Amino acid sequence: GNSVTQMEGPVTLSEEAFLTINCTYTATGYPSLFWYVQYPGEGLQLLLKATKADDKGSNKGFEATYRKETTSFHLEKGSVQVSDSAVYFCALRGGADGLTFGKGTHLIIQP
Amino acid sequence: DGGITQSPKYLFRKEGQNVTLSCEQNLNHDAMYWYRQDPGQGLRLIYYSQIVNDFQKGDIAEGYSVSREKKESFPLTVTSAQKNPTAFYLCASSINLGGLDYGYTFGSGTRLTVV
Repeated sequence: GNSVTQMEGPVTLSEEAFLTINCTYTATGYPSLFWYVQYPGEGLQLLLKATKADDKGSNKGFEATYRKETTSFHLEKGSVQVSDSAVYFCALRGGADGLTFGKGTHLIIQP
Repeated sequence: DGGITQSPKYLFRKEGQNVTLSCEQNLNHDAMYWYRQDPGQGLRLIYYSQIVNDFQKGDIAEGYSVSREKKESFPLTVTSAQKNPTAFYLCASSINLGGLDYGYTFGSGTRLTVV
């Protein structure tokens, strides 16, 4: 079956640091890949997505590239801010049923 | 503005009671989903529905029931058979237009606590 593996954290960085959150997946075929962000006490918001190999999703300074050869979709940001503190979920959809999520990475940005 | 509304935001249940969590969307999305979120376990799929009057079990459906009588509504009932119902419950919906995957839109969640 489908699965997503991501670093769980917490990941603690200083403001303006470079961010990488690793995500690898297992799926048959060509899944769509997503990053979602969850702020405390709220639901998930779509951050970015990629639907085919070598696509790069980007939003709010975050980027991730769909790498089929390494089955990865790592999230990056060049300079993080305190407001980026949240839980980040990597997810895939390979068929008609629901998204498969990773366990989430808690990101803490210190001023 | 279109979106998904979950209610209530906080819910307390006594042992042995059934409770129903509401999820309403005005996005005209065909598919709707219920997830359960526990610390350290990410999100797990409970039930999903691709069209009205049809729904499928997810990975952890035992102790839960759903209905999909209207496109806009997908309520989740947590029954007394669910042994550990304390969790954060998230509802989502999705649309797929012309083969393009737009991902999910999530509600703001309901936190259920057994007292």
